[in-house]
Amino acid sequence: DAKTTQPPSMDCAEGRAANLPCNHSTISGNEYVYWYRQIHSQGPQYIIHGLKNNETNEMASLIITEDRKSSTLILPHATLRDTAVYYCIVRNNDMRFGAGTRLTVKP
Amino acid sequence: DGGITQSPKYLFRKEGQNVTLSCEQNLNHDAMYWYRQDPGQGLRLIYYSQIVNDFQKGDIAEGYSVSREKKESFPLTVTSAQKNPTAFYLCASSMAPTTLSNYGYTFGSGTRLTVV
Repeated sequence: DAKTTQPPSMDCAEGRAANLPCNHSTISGNEYVYWYRQIHSQGPQYIIHGLKNNETNEMASLIITEDRKSSTLILPHATLRDTAVYYCIVRNNDMRFGAGTRLTVKP
Repeated sequence: DGGITQSPKYLFRKEGQNVTLSCEQNLNHDAMYWYRQDPGQGLRLIYYSQIVNDFQKGDIAEGYSVSREKKESFPLTVTSAQKNPTAFYLCASSMAPTTLSNYGYTFGSGTRLTVV
């Protein structure tokens, strides 16, 4: 089974920040948290990853709690093209994905 | 540019026929993976390989077979034993996992298989 828990769906207004939560309470000390997104009928696309510290790149920010049991992916100004399924995974040897969160950005 | 290529993008087969899906990467990645995705569902792991000439079953390996004769290639055969083969198939690759697990995955663009 996947080691992460995400809400099945979320909505966000265009131009607003989208905050996608993920619980990974059984994460080990050396496991990274990765986020991917999948737009319909395409392969998943890498967004960002982190271990302990918060991370930011041109696509998103990743906030990891101090105990590392949860994280939040932030899309600062969501656009309609950000509508996708977002997967949070804990990097381990067997690479299993959960069901992800279906984010719908609305005009 | 380096990447991972799946071919063909669309594939149609008659029921009862075996079909092989291609996955090739030029990223020098050690590990490769196959996933199946049904409409509205997440990714389910079929098989994975962390080194040449070795592979392991995932969660839904029944009715599928793989080979890993070369580092660059990890073809998936959907056999006639697979009861519901129509699906979207995704291949991925990564560097071999390490204790730091600081290696992400690169995905192909997928093959949509339809069995009629």
